[in-house]
Amino acid sequence: TQLLEQSPQFLSIQEGENLTVYCNSSSVFSSLQWYRQEPGEGPVLLVTVVTGGEVKKLKRLTFQFGDARKDSSLHITAAQPGDTGLYLCAGGVYFGNEKLTFGTGTRLTIIP
Amino acid sequence: NAGVMQNPRHLVRRRGQEARLRCSPMKGHSHVYWYRQLPEEGLKFMVYLQKENIIDESGMPKERFSAEFPKEGPSILRIQQVVRGDSAAYFCASSPEGTTYNEQFFGPGTRLTVL
Repeated sequence: TQLLEQSPQFLSIQEGENLTVYCNSSSVFSSLQWYRQEPGEGPVLLVTVVTGGEVKKLKRLTFQFGDARKDSSLHITAAQPGDTGLYLCAGGVYFGNEKLTFGTGTRLTIIP
Repeated sequence: NAGVMQNPRHLVRRRGQEARLRCSPMKGHSHVYWYRQLPEEGLKFMVYLQKENIIDESGMPKERFSAEFPKEGPSILRIQQVVRGDSAAYFCASSPEGTTYNEQFFGPGTRLTVL
């Protein structure tokens, strides 16, 4: 059974600060996705990483896939209130269509 | 460019009743996945379907739960004789045929409350 542990579980910081969220597993994943979910809505796909060591940037968000494809991180620079939400990582074991294993989630609150 | 559609958005049932949740995938997507989310938790996989076929139901409870994706029409997640523990948000996701990186796109969810 593949498990994805996210840390921290809750994070509350001031606007303008930087933060990093971690997603760790003992299993290897072929791809890893990051989603953001707002209250009452479904998860929205932010990025997919597939190559060990890969780094992707999305404006102030930087995503990294670990060399061994077992872990990932999300770094936010100069956080803004609009970044508030539940961040979820999700992994696929095989390439192609299959179920996703979701992480435990990080609830981020940015204080204006 | 409609996304994944789910209805109803909110559903209230009394214990013992049946709940039917519907999901229409994105245009051009033939793979549908159902996930369940309890408050303040991540999503748990339930079932993966293609048209007229169940591909993976390893996350489905053995009793009272069933899913289908008919040739025509939406995918249906059916919960018979609901109990309070079934109260949760149920999300449907879809992906296109032949995706390499398994990117899934989610609907807004159905919030089921069992009284």
